[in-house]
Amino acid sequence: AQKVTQAQTEISVVEKEDVTLDCVYETRDTTYYLFWYKQPPSGELVFLIRRNSFDEQNEISGRYSWNFQKSTSSFNFTITASQVVDSAVYFCALSEVMTGFQKLVFGTGTRLLVSP
Amino acid sequence: DAMVIQNPRYQVTQFGKPVTLSCSQTLNHNVMYWYQQKSSQAPKLLFHYYDKDFNNEADTPDNFQSRRPNTSFCFLDIRSPGLGDAAMYLCATSRDRGNSDTQYFGPGTRLTVL
Repeated sequence: AQKVTQAQTEISVVEKEDVTLDCVYETRDTTYYLFWYKQPPSGELVFLIRRNSFDEQNEISGRYSWNFQKSTSSFNFTITASQVVDSAVYFCALSEVMTGFQKLVFGTGTRLLVSP
Repeated sequence: DAMVIQNPRYQVTQFGKPVTLSCSQTLNHNVMYWYQQKSSQAPKLLFHYYDKDFNNEADTPDNFQSRRPNTSFCFLDIRSPGLGDAAMYLCATSRDRGNSDTQYFGPGTRLTVL
């Protein structure tokens, strides 16, 4: 069975600190997709990134960066120079295709608190 | 802007009183999903529509039903809400249901059961 583990339940940092959110996954599929979503206090899940299993290049988008390593089955997310607006719950998810449709397997989420 | 809209954002109902939650999308996506998310938990998939084809998750209680009258709208009906059904209900859409498709979520409806 596929599984996503986010071992960090909650992280607290002070503004401008860098922070890394860990994500470890398990799958038997050779082709799969990984996602990160942000859920601010308002409740909406905001899509951040999608990465396929064949692309191990790191990705940077502004203050956000992602490190995908198949060798360790990890897809970690780093926020550089954190801001108060980054406070949210972050979910890592793995896409599996069962019975012909995509199903997202979510981790339990990491709550990030950024204080001024 | 193309988006996923959910109404209402907050819904209060009484124990056992039927309630309907609404989701609409302007993305013209083929797939619409309903998730239940309880406090401090990950979203849990209830069911999805692929066009008009309804797909129920095996562990979704019969108390939960859904309708998709057209491409843009999808409804979640809770026939007899219990206290345990209090949660955030999230609607999502995707262009197709392949492995690579991205799901886009609405703002959610927070349901309170008194």
